[in-house]
Amino acid sequence: SAVISQKPSRDICQRGTSLTIQCQVDSQVTMMFWYRQQPGQSLTLIATANQGSEATYESGFVIDKFPISRPNLTFSTLTVSNMSPEDSSIYLCSVDEVGTGELFFGEGSRLTVL
Amino acid sequence: QKEVEQDPGPLSVPEGAIVSLNCTYSNSAFQYFMWYRQYSRKGPELLMYTYSSGNKEDGRFTAQVDKSSKYISLFIRDSQPSDSATYLCAMSASGGGADGLTFGKGTHLIIQP
Repeated sequence: SAVISQKPSRDICQRGTSLTIQCQVDSQVTMMFWYRQQPGQSLTLIATANQGSEATYESGFVIDKFPISRPNLTFSTLTVSNMSPEDSSIYLCSVDEVGTGELFFGEGSRLTVL
Repeated sequence: QKEVEQDPGPLSVPEGAIVSLNCTYSNSAFQYFMWYRQYSRKGPELLMYTYSSGNKEDGRFTAQVDKSSKYISLFIRDSQPSDSATYLCAMSASGGGADGLTFGKGTHLIIQP
């Protein structure tokens, strides 16, 4: 399975600032996704990161708040913009290597907004 | 009614016991069913992947799907302290990518030495 590295692993940020999370995969993958995991809640899909085109966002998530880049088949970034304490969460990068829905996840980026 | 229901626990059992973890769902279109294990401060790790109804066994783990009852289970035999983690069920109708993949909230499992 693909090895997925995320940076930063954790960060503490001030309200109103933005943070960019990086996801690096050790092999080329077509499907890459960003999830949010809030305490006591289900994993929630934010968007599908599309290589060479704009990301596809799920209901409730918008590009201005969560801009995503996908410059190639091994790398993506998620930015959490104008952060508020409600954005405190774990953000996870995941890939579907073979297109069957078997997702592999990074270690996650734990974000705390004060 | 939520699409996928999963008891959050915690579920605490002694080492060596058989553990049963369960999810119920409401969407009859779901055909692909997964179990993920998530250790504290780690990302989820795929444990089992099954299609449609029936059983699938992998070592000490058995996944069971009963589509008629909209009920899935994960059994862990000879449980070990290293099995202590949160177990997430997930399911989808299409089986491809993350589109339509719905997760349960996870059950926190504690195996007591």
